[in-house]
Amino acid sequence: QKEVEQNSGPLSVPEGAIASLNCTYSDRGSQSFFWYRQYSGKSPELIMSIYSNGDKEDGRFTAQLNKASQYVSLLIRDSQPSDSATYLCAVKRNLMGSNFGNEKLTFGTGTRLTIIP
Amino acid sequence: EPEVTQTPSHQVTQMGQEVILRCVPISNHLYFYWYRQILGQKVEFLVSFYNNEISEKSEIFDDQFSVERPDGSNFTLKIRSTKLEDSAMYFCASSATSGRFIIGELFFGEGSRLTVL
Repeated sequence: QKEVEQNSGPLSVPEGAIASLNCTYSDRGSQSFFWYRQYSGKSPELIMSIYSNGDKEDGRFTAQLNKASQYVSLLIRDSQPSDSATYLCAVKRNLMGSNFGNEKLTFGTGTRLTIIP
Repeated sequence: EPEVTQTPSHQVTQMGQEVILRCVPISNHLYFYWYRQILGQKVEFLVSFYNNEISEKSEIFDDQFSVERPDGSNFTLKIRSTKLEDSAMYFCASSATSGRFIIGELFFGEGSRLTVL
């Protein structure tokens, strides 16, 4: 079983619509969850972090976490062509503010999102 | 905005040669990482480093790899004898700390593309 699973896509969404990206993880000890955006040939760029169950909103982005279902999602509202990228889900065992250890991020393979003008 | 900088941006080397990739983490960050991404594959953790010693390493980080903080600003990844399968994008990253606690998310540099011929 893959540690972090994402639908590889491509996911095509019309401009202005909501893009919904999903991620499941296998390690029940995971406590920190992140969404990174990666443009082709570029480095991952952090867009959202979430640490507790529920929703977290930041501008057009909403992250949702359900630890019981081992599920993380990212919603992008009012999608723009500039949102076209690969979205990487990443999980970590350690919680922010904890002692060092288990700091490695485990990434999914990413979902390629294309926003159609 | 502070950023992680990496050099070189692209290096081409012959199989069996030694390669050193350099990173300057964000200035007040003390926890450092190397990740790699083989073309078309997921981002993979290699090693984390704090206080001049390795904190965690993955099974990828074998005896051919080493890390060092040779001075107060640089953080290097050395591959002693490169193989074809070492061809990848290598990302350096850093996190803010307070004592022995990670207090900030992980930020990536732009990456160093290594091509082994």
